[in-house]
Amino acid sequence: AQTVTQSQPEMSVQEAETVTLSCTYDTSESNYYLFWYKQPPSRQMILVIRQEAYKQQNATENRFSVNFQKAAKSFSLKISDSQLGDTAMYFCAFMRDSNYQLIWGAGTKLIIKP
Amino acid sequence: GAGVSQTPSNKVTEKGKYVELRCDPISGHTALYWYRQSLGQGPEFLIYFQGTGAADDSGLPNDRFFAVRPEGSVSTLKIQRTERGDSAVYLCASSPWTGGATDTQYFGPGTRLTVL
Repeated sequence: AQTVTQSQPEMSVQEAETVTLSCTYDTSESNYYLFWYKQPPSRQMILVIRQEAYKQQNATENRFSVNFQKAAKSFSLKISDSQLGDTAMYFCAFMRDSNYQLIWGAGTKLIIKP
Repeated sequence: GAGVSQTPSNKVTEKGKYVELRCDPISGHTALYWYRQSLGQGPEFLIYFQGTGAADDSGLPNDRFFAVRPEGSVSTLKIQRTERGDSAVYLCASSPWTGGATDTQYFGPGTRLTVL
């Protein structure tokens, strides 16, 4: 069975700083997909960034980038120039290529301080 | 266009009662998913619909839980004989069907269910 682990329950940084959120996963699959979702207090999950396991290049979306280490089964999220609006819960999620279930970590609460 | 909507936003019920939670997906999205998020945890998959049929209901915890999507659009999650352990946020998501696992799942704001 696949598992996703987020070892940082909470993180706090000053506005404009860079912050990295950690995620590790366990799977025997060779092809799969990894995601970072943001959940603000409104509860609505919002996709931040996605990575296909067969792609060696790390995904980037504006201020958000990932460090995908397939051999180490690590998938960290880096947020550059953090903004107050980045304050939220961040969830790492895994999806096997053969089905459509998202398997989620427990989340990291990120607080951006002014 | 409009996103995924869920009603009610909050539902308080008593142990043993029956509840229905509604999800209205993004127009044109053929795939629909239900997840349950307990306090302090990540969501857990419950069921996935492709059109009107439940393509994967392996995440439903027991036979008290049932979901329908009769016309391939709106879905209702039904919980019978509610228990206090059913208290959670129930999230619904939809995605367009492109035939690949790279479909982005778009989430609604969830229904917070509290069983007293």
